[in-house]
Amino acid sequence: KQEVTQIPAALSVPEGENLVLNCSFTDSAIYNLQWFRQDPGKGLTSLLLIQSSQREQTSGRLNASLDKSSGRSTLYIAASQPGDSATYLCAVRGTGTASKLTFGTGTRLQVTL
Amino acid sequence: SAVISQKPSRDICQRGTSLTIQCQVDSQVTMMFWYRQQPGQSLTLIATANQGSEATYESGFVIDKFPISRPNLTFSTLTVSNLSPEDSSIYLCSARQGGNEQYFGPGTRLTVT
Repeated sequence: KQEVTQIPAALSVPEGENLVLNCSFTDSAIYNLQWFRQDPGKGLTSLLLIQSSQREQTSGRLNASLDKSSGRSTLYIAASQPGDSATYLCAVRGTGTASKLTFGTGTRLQVTL
Repeated sequence: SAVISQKPSRDICQRGTSLTIQCQVDSQVTMMFWYRQQPGQSLTLIATANQGSEATYESGFVIDKFPISRPNLTFSTLTVSNLSPEDSSIYLCSARQGGNEQYFGPGTRLTVT
């Protein structure tokens, strides 16, 4: 059974700092990995999708890497802003297009002025 | 990308009653899902809504408690029946087209009194 862990559980950084969020998973046989952002009381916003054959994806100030063999992904946020404050979730999907997402426990990020 | 809307956005219901949540996707999708997010927790998959057939439920979730309909490729409903305070959660609809990115609706916040 796939298990997904995110470290740290919470993080507070001053504005402008670069930061890294970590995601690890136990079963390396994944189809893809997706990073989401969730604001309090809201739904999930998809940030980046990395297919199993890819090593990284970039969108603006966000960069996600994937090391499938070691069961790890990182989300790098450059030049953090107060608007980045949210909970970040990673989710992995097993092989096969019909398989489900398994979510991590999330990292709650606060960017202070 | 797919845009997903849910109705209602929130509701307060009495114990023993039922709530039906509607999910509308702005394009045809192959897969639709329903998730529950309990306070302070990550997401748990309730079921996969199958078009034209019975939903596929995850362990711990049963059709009598969470009946699901999916009459076409853009619409689904989730009913939470015989409500108890333990059902107080955010319920999220999600959709995916084939092996691609998965999208989420804004969620329905349910409070049971």
